[in-house]
Amino acid sequence: QSALTQPASVSGSPGQSITISCTGTSSDVGGYNYVSWYQQHPGKAPKLMIYEDTHRPSGISNRFSGSKSGNTASLTISGLQAEDEADYYCGSYTITSTVVFGGGTKLTVL
Amino acid sequence: QMQLQESGPGLVKPSQTLPLTCSVSGGSISSGAYYWSWIRQHPGKGLEWIAYIYHSGKAHYNPSLKSRITISIDTSKNQFSLKLSSVTAADTALYYCARASSGGSSWFFDYWGQGTVVTVSS
Repeated sequence: QSALTQPASVSGSPGQSITISCTGTSSDVGGYNYVSWYQQHPGKAPKLMIYEDTHRPSGISNRFSGSKSGNTASLTISGLQAEDEADYYCGSYTITSTVVFGGGTKLTVL
Repeated sequence: QMQLQESGPGLVKPSQTLPLTCSVSGGSISSGAYYWSWIRQHPGKGLEWIAYIYHSGKAHYNPSLKSRITISIDTSKNQFSLKLSSVTAADTALYYCARASSGGSSWFFDYWGQGTVVTVSS
């Protein structure tokens, strides 16, 4: 199985908005399966930020939002803050009952 | 609050079997539509899903690792375990256990352990 495709890095200034894409296939992202997004700060475990394409867990800022169109899902962070600087991963269940992650995107807040 | 805690040997010799255990607290490993998972992260790299198991014992594996993996669950101890055989330096990584919530076509990892570092070296 191939990893989902994410940009290696994105950057933005405080207050700006950024979007991270996650491209898969009809066997994972584009199928009926939902996409989730995880934030990982250095030395920390990943943290769930978005599930079922667009839903935020309790306690996650509404500055984080998710969307999906076809085989591509997106994570948008609005009103960038210094604390948002981290690695972000998308994940998806697949039609073969396996799980696949994206390669990860490093967000730099300038 | 659910918590997961990995435990393992830290250092394993090449060709040996790596045993890892995840202890779950704050909830029963037998309840609900949850799948208990192992995920690893090579140094400086991304996340790689390894396997997951349901409380019934039904499991699924990453095809690239399937021949070397055994995953098991012990509901009496509220633990699940991973054994990775014939390890090489390429298996050196940070290993996480995590809970996956699933329902219909939904699947996401909502609880993670802190991770345990495994180094394969003679």
